[in-house]
Amino acid sequence: EAQVTQNPRYLITVTGKKLTVTCSQNMNHEYMSWYRQDPGLGLRQIYYSMNVEVTDKGDVPEGYKVSRKEKRNFPLILESPSPNQTSLYFCASSSSPGRGRKSYEQYFGPGTRLTVT
Amino acid sequence: EDKVVQSPLSLVVHEGDTVTLNCSYEVTNFRSLLWYKQEKKAPTFLFMLTSSGIEKKSGRLSSILDKKELFSILNITATQTGDSAIYLCAVGLNAGGTSYGKLTFGQGTILTVHP
Repeated sequence: EAQVTQNPRYLITVTGKKLTVTCSQNMNHEYMSWYRQDPGLGLRQIYYSMNVEVTDKGDVPEGYKVSRKEKRNFPLILESPSPNQTSLYFCASSSSPGRGRKSYEQYFGPGTRLTVT
Repeated sequence: EDKVVQSPLSLVVHEGDTVTLNCSYEVTNFRSLLWYKQEKKAPTFLFMLTSSGIEKKSGRLSSILDKKELFSILNITATQTGDSAIYLCAVGLNAGGTSYGKLTFGQGTILTVHP
C-alpha cells in the first residue's frame, strides 16, 4: 500500500531534549516536505527536499533541521525543543512536482502531535 | 514577504447551498496554486492551477485562477454535510522547473454544512 508513515504519532517531551520525528514513504517520490499546523495559522512549511541531498527552507525553519540521505526518508530534528514548537506536524511527499500527470499531488502522513513542556 | 490570505475564515451553510471560498496572494516567483481539503486528519489534494482562466472541475467542486488579480476561488455547489472541512489554499514557489518547491499556505477556511 502506497503510504507516508511518521513516527512517533504522539510525543510529550521537555524543553531542550533533542528529538527526531521520522518520515518514510514507499512511493519512490523525489519531493518531501515537513509542515506544522497550529490553530488559526493553517499549515506552515518548515523544510522541503526536491531530491536526495537537496533541501531548502520553508516559511518557518527556525529551530528545526532536516536531512535527506536516502530517497525514502526525511527525518525532522529538533535539537533543543521549546514550548513554542508544540504543534501538529505533517510530512508529505510527491513525485517531481509538475512532471507528469498527477505528479504534483502530495500524499500526507498521519501527523505527529508534539507537546514540549 | 510571501503572503496568502483566505476568506472567509469560517462559513456555516445548509445542505444544498452553493459556497465560494477565496484565496488571494502576494508572492514572488509564483508557479502554482493548490487547494486541499482537511477533515479530521491529514489534508487531501483537490486541485492545482497554473494558468489563468482555466476552470478545474471535480464533481461539485470547481476552481479558477486569476493571475492578473492574484486570486483563486473554490466553488462548491449543492453542498452536503460531507463537505464540512477546512479548505486550505497554497501557493507554489521556487520550483526550479517544477510546479512547486516552497509552498506557502493560507490560514484556511472552516466550512460547516448543516443538514
